[in-house]
Amino acid sequence: AQKVTQAQTEISVVEKEDVTLDCVYETRDTTYYLFWYKQPPSGELVFLIRRNSFDEQNEISGRYSWNFQKSTSSFNFTITASQVVDSAVYFCALLPGYSTLTFGKGTMLLVSP
Amino acid sequence: ETGVTQSPTHLIKTRGQQVTLRCSSQSGHNTVSWYQQALGQGPQFIFQYYREEENGRGNFPPRFSGLQFPNYSSELNVNALELDDSALYLCASSQKGEFDSPLHFGNGTRLTVT
Repeated sequence: AQKVTQAQTEISVVEKEDVTLDCVYETRDTTYYLFWYKQPPSGELVFLIRRNSFDEQNEISGRYSWNFQKSTSSFNFTITASQVVDSAVYFCALLPGYSTLTFGKGTMLLVSP
Repeated sequence: ETGVTQSPTHLIKTRGQQVTLRCSSQSGHNTVSWYQQALGQGPQFIFQYYREEENGRGNFPPRFSGLQFPNYSSELNVNALELDDSALYLCASSQKGEFDSPLHFGNGTRLTVT
């Protein structure tokens, strides 16, 4: 069975602060993919990143960075110098083998001016 | 390249009624998946369609059914609606065989059952 845990239900920061969203996953598969999606108030899920289980390199994209650690089954997401437009619900998701995408419950990020 | 489109955007139904939600896949994608997202929760997998056949199903009762058409568009049908069916229903398309193909989601249909 697979599971994704996002322990932080809600995070509030002030603009320009750095913020890290935690994600811990469980799977018995050795081949899997991890994703982060952003869901703004309008409702659509916006794909942010995909990482496969064989690639533990950290990735940076502008103000976003991701830290994948297989040893702790974690795939954390950091936003540097947060902005009001970053306010949204962020979902971590796991796709093991040729199975189906399993989402965490999401972390609501509120960035205040 | 057109994205995933869903219709309608909002819908209000009465308990016991039936509802049909529609989804058009992103161009070039042959697989459609449907998800239910209850308020404050992550999306839950309902089922997936590939080549017009169901190709995987989550923990949802048979009154949730679907169709995929030759042009890869899809419908989600829910019979005998219950209050707990109130949720955002998301459709996602992908290319079967591309294991790492990220799912492309539509904007969803918000269903309210009263």
